[in-house]
Amino acid sequence: DADVTQTPRNRITKTGKRIMLECSQTKGHDRMYWYRQDPGLGLRLIYYSFDVKDINKGEISDGYSVSRQAQAKFSLSLESAIPNQTALYFCATSARDSRGGYTFGSGTRLTVV
Amino acid sequence: QKEVEQDPGPLSVPEGAIVSLNCTYSNSAFQYFMWYRQYSRKGPELLMYTYSSGNKEDGRFTAQVDKSSKYISLFIRDSQPSDSATYLCAMSAGSGGSYIPTFGRGTSLIVHP
Repeated sequence: DADVTQTPRNRITKTGKRIMLECSQTKGHDRMYWYRQDPGLGLRLIYYSFDVKDINKGEISDGYSVSRQAQAKFSLSLESAIPNQTALYFCATSARDSRGGYTFGSGTRLTVV
Repeated sequence: QKEVEQDPGPLSVPEGAIVSLNCTYSNSAFQYFMWYRQYSRKGPELLMYTYSSGNKEDGRFTAQVDKSSKYISLFIRDSQPSDSATYLCAMSAGSGGSYIPTFGRGTSLIVHP
């Protein structure tokens, strides 16, 4: 099994729908992150969590929310999906003493129509 | 100007060539420097990790950091078609202990047989 598992791998949804992307990890890492990747824009941080009770906004958190259900689980929700949220979404984890070395999941390709 | 600049390419080279991938940055506080490799439809994977200035070698890969010029490089010797991927540079500083990296946009590398 992968160290960082994201579900679903692909999803097509309609504008206005609520959708949840899930991430689970077996690395035992405290820190978890959600990024989106768009062509030409690179990786942009949406939210991050340094432990179960710690949630922080990243550079592009508007329109998104997260929940850290356990050390190993971190989910991302789009409350009312819009077409410009069509992107590739990645979950990542890191150890507490990491200086930037992440383990990424394989990504969720989300299309909002 | 973005904090981290990286030419998106694509960079196309013949098998066996020496590849040079580069990033420039503006934040002099960056101390930790990383290169990630991302295959199509996969998440980025950590390839090289260096601290401060200097070189680090791992097999066919060499990472080089010149903090005085705010310039980092990744060299790939004897390049193979399997090296075809997008390479993202990333760097972090100890801002508040978070060490959340700033990513470049990635350079697409194509190694043709």
